[in-house]
Amino acid sequence: EIVLTQSPGTLSLSPGERVTVSCRASQSVESRSLVWYQQKSGQAPRLLIYGAFNRASGIPDRFSGSGSGTDFTLTISRLEPEDFAVYYCQYYANSLLTFGGGTKVEIK
Amino acid sequence: QLQESGPGLVKPSGTLSLTCSVSGGSISSFYWNWIRQPPGKGLEWIGFTHRSGRTAYKPSLKSRVIASVDSSKNQVSLRLNSVTDADTAVYYCAKWSESMRAYDIWGQGTTVTVSS
Repeated sequence: EIVLTQSPGTLSLSPGERVTVSCRASQSVESRSLVWYQQKSGQAPRLLIYGAFNRASGIPDRFSGSGSGTDFTLTISRLEPEDFAVYYCQYYANSLLTFGGGTKVEIK
Repeated sequence: QLQESGPGLVKPSGTLSLTCSVSGGSISSFYWNWIRQPPGKGLEWIGFTHRSGRTAYKPSLKSRVIASVDSSKNQVSLRLNSVTDADTAVYYCAKWSESMRAYDIWGQGTTVTVSS
């Protein structure tokens, strides 16, 4: 079973700053199945990035994904006030799905 | 659109039963998933189901969970038995997009508390 480890657990940042969230898999995974979600307080998650680097419909281009193998990254180029949220990576293969533990991006 | 519903309170050792009503599209063509989130914690995949009867569940929950599709009602259901307080969570249903290998539509979630 694949384990996804996200780091850091919490980021305290100001609007305008650059954000980098890491998702490390316990073994090499297919990039096409690596996904990122954003979850705001009290809301369901929203799909941000699929296939490691493809933005979902309606997602601003300040969000980008990269990586391969065991190491993947979600980047927000310039934080907007509405981007303060928790971010999760997710991987699916062989009828098993797993989420990373989440990274909270909070206002400094 | 997806809308979860069900009892908000379940007694320990009882059975949690939830329904996800699907509107605005066909239920038949997609895999439907259940995900939960304990208070203050991260997301946990429970399992998926398809109209064909194909299912898959998280191994640690497999012995207690059943998910199914009722095409006639356009509903997806979840049953989780022998619940404990560890099953207290917000429960989400979500539609799986095979092309993106991701959840592209989520319900708003429903809170279930296990307590006597």
